Amino acid sequence: NAGVMQNPRHLVRRRGQEARLRCSPMKGHSHVYWYRQLPEEGLKFMVYLQKENIIDESGMPKERFSAEFPKEGPSILRIQQVVRGDSAAYFCASSPPAGNTIYFGEGSWLTVV
Amino acid sequence: DQQVKQNSPSLSVQEGRISILNCDYTNSMFDYFLWYKKYPAEGPTFLISISSIKDKNEDGRFTVFLNKSAKHLSLHIVPSQPGDSAVYFCAATTDSWGKFQFGAGTQVVVTP
Repeated sequence: NAGVMQNPRHLVRRRGQEARLRCSPMKGHSHVYWYRQLPEEGLKFMVYLQKENIIDESGMPKERFSAEFPKEGPSILRIQQVVRGDSAAYFCASSPPAGNTIYFGEGSWLTVV
Repeated sequence: DQQVKQNSPSLSVQEGRISILNCDYTNSMFDYFLWYKKYPAEGPTFLISISSIKDKNEDGRFTVFLNKSAKHLSLHIVPSQPGDSAVYFCAATTDSWGKFQFGAGTQVVVTP
C-alpha cells in the first residue's frame, strides 16, 4: 500500500494521559500536514512540516500539542495531558516537493474518556 | 477566520440528476482549488482540482467551475449515482503557501 499510513486508527485515552499519532507519508513525499476534524465540523489545519522542519504551525493549539517529522521515521503528532475536547479525528496528509495536491491517510480517531 | 466557505451543509439529489456543490472564498491570493470526497470513518480522497488560470476543469462525471471575480467555485456531478453519497470538501491554497484551507463540507445524499 503506497498511500499515507496512519496509526493507530483508533486510540482511547483517559484525561491527563498522552496521545501519540503517527503518520508515514506516501513514497516520495517530503511534506506532511496534520488536520483535525471535530464532531460535526470540517477539516481544520493544524501544522505543516517538512523533514526536520516545522513550516507552519499556525493551527496548532498553543499548549499540549506538538508535531515533528524527523529525518528518519514517521511524523508524530503528540498531545499531552489530553482533555475531552481533544476527542476528534486526526488526519495526516502528504504531498511531494512543489506539489499542489495533498493526499490523506485514513485518519486516527482519538477518544478521551 | 473561515477563508473557505461551503454554505450548504447538505444536499439531496435524485439518482441520475445533477448535483451542484458550491464553495466561496475570501482570500484573493488563493490560486489553486481542490475538491475532496469523504466517506464516514475514512480519509478524504482527492477528486478534482483547478488552477486559477482556468475557469473549468472536467474529469469524467465531475466538472469544477471557477469564477475568480466572484471568488466562487462549484462542483458539478452528472449524472449523480448512489455511490456519490458522501461529504464533499472544497479546499484552496496558494502556490507559495503550502497550507490548504478547507470548507466545512457538504453532505450529499443521492436517492434512488
